[in-house]
Amino acid sequence: DAGITQSPRHKVTETGTPVTLRCHQTENHRYMYWYRQDPGHGLRLIHYSYGVKDTDKGEVSDGYSVSRSKTEDFLLTLESATSSQTSVYFCATRPSFEVTGMQGEQFFGPGTRLTVL
Amino acid sequence: DAKTTQPPSMDCAEGRAANLPCNHSTISGNEYVYWYRQIHSQGPQYIIHGLKNNETNEMASLIITEDRKSSTLILPHATLRDTAVYYCIVRVRNYGGSQGNLIFGKGTKLSVKP
Repeated sequence: DAGITQSPRHKVTETGTPVTLRCHQTENHRYMYWYRQDPGHGLRLIHYSYGVKDTDKGEVSDGYSVSRSKTEDFLLTLESATSSQTSVYFCATRPSFEVTGMQGEQFFGPGTRLTVL
Repeated sequence: DAKTTQPPSMDCAEGRAANLPCNHSTISGNEYVYWYRQIHSQGPQYIIHGLKNNETNEMASLIITEDRKSSTLILPHATLRDTAVYYCIVRVRNYGGSQGNLIFGKGTKLSVKP
């Protein structure tokens, strides 16, 4: 498995507070992703990054922002958490096809369970 | 990306082959079929992918029909550790930016029973 860690692994916070989740990788993969997973919805893409300082929105980006100032870290921020953002958040990485010749498999982190009260 | 259809659940006896079907009737010529699985509470794990030829690796085999409208993931000797949700995803090959994103459906929950 790619060296992907997420922090914190569990967090409980209150509505209206800011929250930042961190994804850290040691594989030098170019692409990074943030997903959320809720019962009945499967995994849904929030934001993704295709390089340092290059990010774009996914399917469910409202209420979230991201930053990627260096290759190994991808931060997900909830500016003002709401109860609807209670979820399990997964980070994923993908190497460049051009570099590895791989067909683009994504590697997932262990997840962060966030509860917004 | 093409949509996929999978049965919501399946059972399999331990030691037997698990055959998980996936329909992707609107698949385009440049789209690959990918399979991932998610064991309870863990992040999804890549299993295998293919374009039109059958593929095999240490985890599974992928059989794609000649018209490419459906495929089957085969776990040859299922173990209790293979109990998971299995996702079939189709995606274009050449990707940068959003073309590399995976769109997960609800998958098939496979239960391997002793």
